[in-house]
Amino acid sequence: DVKVTQSSRYLVKRTGEKVFLECVQDMDHENMFWYRQDPGLGLRLIYFSYDVKMKEKGDIPEGYSVSREKKERFSLILESASTNQTSMYLCASSATGQGSEQYFGPGTRLTVT
Amino acid sequence: AQSVTQPDIHITVSEGASLELRCNYSYGATPYLFWYVQSPGQGLQLLLKYFSGDTLVQGIKGFEAEFKRSQSSFNLRKPSVHWSDAAEYFCAVALYSSASKIIFGSGTRLSIRP
Repeated sequence: DVKVTQSSRYLVKRTGEKVFLECVQDMDHENMFWYRQDPGLGLRLIYFSYDVKMKEKGDIPEGYSVSREKKERFSLILESASTNQTSMYLCASSATGQGSEQYFGPGTRLTVT
Repeated sequence: AQSVTQPDIHITVSEGASLELRCNYSYGATPYLFWYVQSPGQGLQLLLKYFSGDTLVQGIKGFEAEFKRSQSSFNLRKPSVHWSDAAEYFCAVALYSSASKIIFGSGTRLSIRP
């Protein structure tokens, strides 16, 4: 079974803090994704990585950066957290290929106060 | 631009009743379509997917979906719902411009009436 794990289920941070969200997958997938999920808005892609050290901006990259130093690990970084970044963050991974299924982690609910 | 629309934000059905969740997509060619389910506090799990061939697709947990090109729809159905089906359901389409990216609808929350 594919497993995607995220470092925290719940996180509370203060405005201005630097925040790291970690994601690890165990299926040797080339692609990894970070989404944020907000009520009524579905999932919105923040960043996407198709290989180690490669990344591509998604629909809402502002205020975020990412790091992929190893194939199995994809980190989302909030350089200076703000209250409007309070959200559920979901990580996913997939194999290469058109329409490959994405496998999701359990999510991290981040609250910025 | 490609898009996915789920017109129903919230649906309530009685346990044992049939279910149909609507999904419409905008796409220029034969799409890759998905339905995912998200139980409370969990990540998303794939229910089923359509790539080509038979337009009626069977998935896990007794769900099925029918691809109708003429209506640009990919509705999800289940003949008899169980209380454990209460969750949020997302329809999604793979982008043709990027081999691996998927765009998601805004979701339909399903509640089950005892």
